[in-house]
Amino acid sequence: KNEVEQSPQNLTAQEGEFITINCSYSVGISALHWLQQHPGGGIVSLFMLSSGKKKHGRLIATINIQEKHSSLHITASHPRDSAVYICAVPYSGGGADGLTFGKGTHLIIQP
Amino acid sequence: NAGVTQTPKFQVLKTGQSMTLQCAQDMNHNSMYWYRQDPGMGLRLIYYSASEGTTDKGEVPNGYNVSRLNKREFSLRLESAAPSQTSVYFCASSADRVGYTFGSGTRLTVV
Repeated sequence: KNEVEQSPQNLTAQEGEFITINCSYSVGISALHWLQQHPGGGIVSLFMLSSGKKKHGRLIATINIQEKHSSLHITASHPRDSAVYICAVPYSGGGADGLTFGKGTHLIIQP
Repeated sequence: NAGVTQTPKFQVLKTGQSMTLQCAQDMNHNSMYWYRQDPGMGLRLIYYSASEGTTDKGEVPNGYNVSRLNKREFSLRLESAAPSQTSVYFCASSADRVGYTFGSGTRLTVV
């Protein structure tokens, strides 16, 4: 089973700061997902990446397949970025498809 | 465009009672999933369905049954609820394992 570790578990920062959230996994994968869970509980997909870097607005995700590591960066952070950010990799536990998730990073951006 | 719809949003059950969590998607996705989310843990895969009439066990299937009667709907049944099944349940769907769409979740408490 692929183990997914995220750091930090909790992060509080001031508005405007550059944010970095890290994700490492134990078994080689073809792609990695970053998701956002809103304070109300809803989950949305942010990125799927298999190599290099992807950018969407102020969010940037990078992955190093050889080192089994990915980072999610937020530039010019804003209070509306406050959420739980979750890293996930393909489930490898048997015949089922799906994702194995990290425990998430709880981000709070203070005005 | 509703995406993935889960019902109910909240439910309280007594130990031993049964219930079915409903999930429906209107995006013509083949793959559907049930996950549970517990405090301090990442989402965990309960069951997966690749298509109508097919299901596979995930990481934590014990105590649950599922049914994929058609392409749109994937239900999760608890035959005899236990306090350990207190959790938030998410249904998700995917067309191609690139993007995942999640329902808003069902918060279940078993007393």
